Amino acid sequence: GAVVSQHPSWVICKSGTSVKIECRSLDFQATTMFWYRQFPKQSLMLMATSNEGSKATYEQGVEKDKFLINHASLTLSTLTVTSAHPEDSSFYICSARSGRGLSPLHFGNGTRLTVT
Amino acid sequence: AQSVSQHNHHVILSEAASLELGCNYSYGGTVNLFWYVQYPGQHLQLLLKYFSGDPLVKGIKGFEAEFIKSKFSFNLRKPSVQWSDTAEYFCAVTKGGSGNTGKLIFGQGTTLQVKP
Repeated sequence: GAVVSQHPSWVICKSGTSVKIECRSLDFQATTMFWYRQFPKQSLMLMATSNEGSKATYEQGVEKDKFLINHASLTLSTLTVTSAHPEDSSFYICSARSGRGLSPLHFGNGTRLTVT
Repeated sequence: AQSVSQHNHHVILSEAASLELGCNYSYGGTVNLFWYVQYPGQHLQLLLKYFSGDPLVKGIKGFEAEFIKSKFSFNLRKPSVQWSDTAEYFCAVTKGGSGNTGKLIFGQGTTLQVKP
């Protein structure tokens, strides 16, 4: 079946540094990718929607200058957490679909970010 | 704004017991409904989905869910759980019809622990 690979799966960084998380669709072309954030014992919160070749659409309350999303190709989207702070520590999950509307959504394994 | 509420945060059952996990959503228009499962250390996987038609939906691994429009509910059921069903379960909704953007709104999740 369709596979979405997320890298790294786990990262620790110091406060003030930036971290890039990659999301790749391995066997299909992802026209749309979604980035979610999950706090412990809480639901996945949608951060942004990215369509290949266009700017990401951010959800209300998500700082676009802090969470930079680039969807440069049909198989790769990146999320960069800039000037990370301890409150950015969370579990980040990407998902991707090949079409629109009712196309199946495939999830990556997630990235655990810890900012010290 | 749309929201999804899962009433049970942590459920503990013995093997062979019956399962019902509650899910309610708030949106008055056409919706598409989903249940996802996340096994320990794995990515989110689709259990079942409802788009239209028969409100009783059957999914993988013996799971089913019933869409009751008047109650804005989409409860997940399984007649007899197994130890391997131990996982986190998420209900999710997206707008249906022409309003479908593909953005999933998730509930807070239910941890199911099945004792052997």
